[in-house]
Amino acid sequence: DIVMTQSPDSLAVSLGERATINCRSSQSILFSSNNKNYLAWYQQKPGQPPKLLIYWASTRESGVPDRFSGSGSGTDFTLTISSLQAEDVAVYYCQQYYITPLAFGPGTKVDIK
Amino acid sequence: EVHLVESGGGLVQPGRSLRLSCTASGFTFRDYIMSWFRQAPGKGLEWVGFIRTKAHGGPVEYAASVNGRFTISRDDSKSIAYLQMNSLKSEDTAMYYCARCPAEYCSSDSWGQGALVTVSS
Repeated sequence: DIVMTQSPDSLAVSLGERATINCRSSQSILFSSNNKNYLAWYQQKPGQPPKLLIYWASTRESGVPDRFSGSGSGTDFTLTISSLQAEDVAVYYCQQYYITPLAFGPGTKVDIK
Repeated sequence: EVHLVESGGGLVQPGRSLRLSCTASGFTFRDYIMSWFRQAPGKGLEWVGFIRTKAHGGPVEYAASVNGRFTISRDDSKSIAYLQMNSLKSEDTAMYYCARCPAEYCSSDSWGQGALVTVSS
């Protein structure tokens, strides 16, 4: 099974500053035949279901603000919030969908400093 | 607008069964993988399993933690996915979410609000 890890566990960032979350998979989730990384990022606010932000590691879901961006390939990935807004306070999860069992990272809690 | 609504949650005793339903609207249900996830109180997200489209075929897949106890099915004529949960354990206590995935891969772009299942005597 693929194991997903995230760092840090939590971070506090000032409004308007950059937030960076890292995600690592225990094996490569890059599919060579289509050169796609099977990695998604979700945002979850308290009392709400997860919301898809990014898929294919770097493709922004429709309607997601462009301050959210994803990067990385193979086993190492990053979610960046370029200018943190108050509404971005949430827990962020990465998820691999390369192979079952689908797996999530443990989550990173983002707060305002 | 895509809409997914889970129902059937509640309090159940250990060892008993419960069936959740996920009623979909706003999209062509038969064209999407339907997946179930859960989240124990204060914990992270866990994939439970998914059912592929009839067009793509293939087996229903489950997490090891529920394999043999849970069964996922779908009724494309009613746009409903089901999660039959048998032999429930206290560790199955969680919010259960259904979500849709595109037919070939499973990043879930739409989620229901969830159904709370509490397993306790």
